[in-house]
Amino acid sequence: DGGITQSPKYLFRKEGQNVTLSCEQNLNHDAMYWYRQDPGQGLRLIYYSQIVNDFQKGDIAEGYSVSREKKESFPLTVTSAQKNPTAFYLCASSSLGALGTEAFFGQGTRLTVV
Amino acid sequence: GENVEQHPSTLSVQEGDSAVIKCTYSDSASNYFPWYKQELGKGPQLIIDIRSNVGEKKDQRIAVTLNKTAKHFSLHITETQPEDSAVYFCAASMVYKLSFGAGTTVTVRA
Repeated sequence: DGGITQSPKYLFRKEGQNVTLSCEQNLNHDAMYWYRQDPGQGLRLIYYSQIVNDFQKGDIAEGYSVSREKKESFPLTVTSAQKNPTAFYLCASSSLGALGTEAFFGQGTRLTVV
Repeated sequence: GENVEQHPSTLSVQEGDSAVIKCTYSDSASNYFPWYKQELGKGPQLIIDIRSNVGEKKDQRIAVTLNKTAKHFSLHITETQPEDSAVYFCAASMVYKLSFGAGTTVTVRA
């Protein structure tokens, strides 16, 4: 089955630790995205990538880092510099088109700082 | 950047009635307007989308309208059913970068 897979579903982190969230897609999509979701605030863009070995900051990139070494994979690292990392993180992918194309989302990773 | 506002934040309707959610966007260059449904603990799923060269689109009980001049678009759900209860997000994009509204929590009362 084609789709986008995020792991783990739940993640607990101690303050001061870095943690990496996994995102893999087998849809052959060029573009991949990371969003953060907080209650009442919708989805906010952290980073996005249109092509392998290239990525751009979104609206709330501070305290996060990404890599895009393979077309299928776009891991997100939440660093200790992120002041309020507890949130629901969503990865998405889409093909690139001049008139916009559907973004497919994973099932999300809920990160809790303890 | 693009700013998308969505209203209302919560909506409670009687089963069988209609539900309407409205969104406005700020960037006239946006040309793609999807609507997503998110169930608790899951990722959003696309339910309908519209492009800037179309004014209205229907898919069974769901319809979306777009007014480019006023920069607003709306989601209409008719004959609501309990399974329509969820959070709905509108979004606007130019080519590939989606900006989302804050979401509307829809509750369908039996």
